[in-house]
Amino acid sequence: SQKIEQNSEALNIQEGKTATLTCNYTNYSPAYLQWYRQDPGRGPVFLLLIRENEKEKRKERLKVTFDTTLKQSLFHITASQPADSATYLCAHNNAGNMLTFGGGTRLMVKP
Amino acid sequence: SAVISQKPSRDICQRGTSLTIQCQVDSQVTMMFWYRQQPGQSLTLIATANQGSEATYESGFVIDKFPISRPNLTFSTLTVSNMSPEDSSIYLCSVETWLANEQFFGPGTRLTVL
Repeated sequence: SQKIEQNSEALNIQEGKTATLTCNYTNYSPAYLQWYRQDPGRGPVFLLLIRENEKEKRKERLKVTFDTTLKQSLFHITASQPADSATYLCAHNNAGNMLTFGGGTRLMVKP
Repeated sequence: SAVISQKPSRDICQRGTSLTIQCQVDSQVTMMFWYRQQPGQSLTLIATANQGSEATYESGFVIDKFPISRPNLTFSTLTVSNMSPEDSSIYLCSVETWLANEQFFGPGTRLTVL
C-alpha cells in the first residue's frame, strides 16, 4: 500500500534562512499532494496543493515541488520567521478524495 | 473556504461510557471526514460521513465502535462508544467543498479516557 514518509526529526533553522521539508511516497504517483500546517492544539490548515503534472507551485514565501521520478515533494519556506514554527504535514489523495497523511515534520525557527 | 466548529472542544470521560462529538460547517459541503490523531502522531482517517446513508469506514474502524451520522450537508456526529484509555486522542472533523480538493479541518476534540 502507498506510504507517505516525512522526516520525523525536528528541523531547527535560524530566522531568515530557507527551510526545506521532504515528503516521500513509496508506490504510485498520486494525482496530487497537499501540504498542511498544524499548530499545537489545533487542526491542520491547508497551505498548498500540487498536481502530478506540475513541477512547482508558489504562494508568497512558500514553494512546493513534485518530482515523480524521485517520488518526492519538497516544501520550502523562504526568509523563515519564528512564526513559521509548527508541524508541517504532507498528504496524498486516495480514491474518493480521502487523504493519507505523513507523520509530519516539526519546524523550529530560532530568532 | 469553510468554517468548522466542533463540540465539545475537550472532555474527560470514564471507561465504558460513550461520547458524541458534533461537527458543524457554515456552508454545504460535498465530503465530510472524521480523523483521529493520537498523541504525537499524524492523522488517521476513521471514516467518510455520507449524507443520508451509512458512513464508509477505513480498515481498523467499525461502526459499532464509531457510529457516525450525517443528516444533512452541514452537520455530522461521531460517537466514540464503550471508551477505553486507548481511545484518548484528538478527534477532528474535516470537509471538502464543492470547488476544491483541499480539506478544511475543525479545531478538534481532545478526549481523555480515564
